[in-house]
Amino acid sequence: ETGVTQTPRHLVMGMTNKKSLKCEQHLGHNAMYWYKQSAKKPLELMFVYSLEERVENNSVPSRFSPECPNSSHLFLHLHTLQPEDSALYLCASSPGTSDLLVQYFGPGTRLTVT
Amino acid sequence: QKEVEQNSGPLSVPEGAIASLNCTYSDRVSQSFFWYRQYSGKSPELIMSIYSNGDKEDGRFTAQLNKASQYVSLLIRDSQPSDSATYLCAVNNGGGGGFKTIFGAGTRLFVKA
Repeated sequence: ETGVTQTPRHLVMGMTNKKSLKCEQHLGHNAMYWYKQSAKKPLELMFVYSLEERVENNSVPSRFSPECPNSSHLFLHLHTLQPEDSALYLCASSPGTSDLLVQYFGPGTRLTVT
Repeated sequence: QKEVEQNSGPLSVPEGAIASLNCTYSDRVSQSFFWYRQYSGKSPELIMSIYSNGDKEDGRFTAQLNKASQYVSLLIRDSQPSDSATYLCAVNNGGGGGFKTIFGAGTRLFVKA
């Protein structure tokens, strides 16, 4: 266990549904990340929050909406997704300063959009 | 040009051999370099980090960095079947507040018993 948990672990949703992914870190880190991992493609950074402020928004479609209510919790709200959004969504955290960039990943949520 | 490039493999080595994994990156100002291991169906976990030119050793793993050639490698000595996984190279250039780490697509390693 890395100290980063994600729920749910698996999610199947229709294109008209609204769902949320949850991430929680128990490491006292200041930065949290959302990544998308599709087969045969590199990890794609989606969002970064540092001290609850969004510091990176990597041209992600508006159907993905992040929320960071505090430094331990991160959400990804999903609505009107497309089948090509099916992927593994990984949350990660890091201590947050520029010299401490090692990221600790959660187990991921396997998302299938039907 | 891909920002972080790795051979997708699979790289197949016999048990006990040295596995050599290579990575090139395009941004010359990159400052921090990482190797993550990802088992099938699992999330990435850090193996090594390296920040300056040269070699860094940790047990059976050695990371090598050559900033002039924009090249970073990972050597695994005495490879074991349990080392079979996908190895992700990751690079951070310190921009964007230091939070933007770019990952390669990974090299699949298969260690034959």
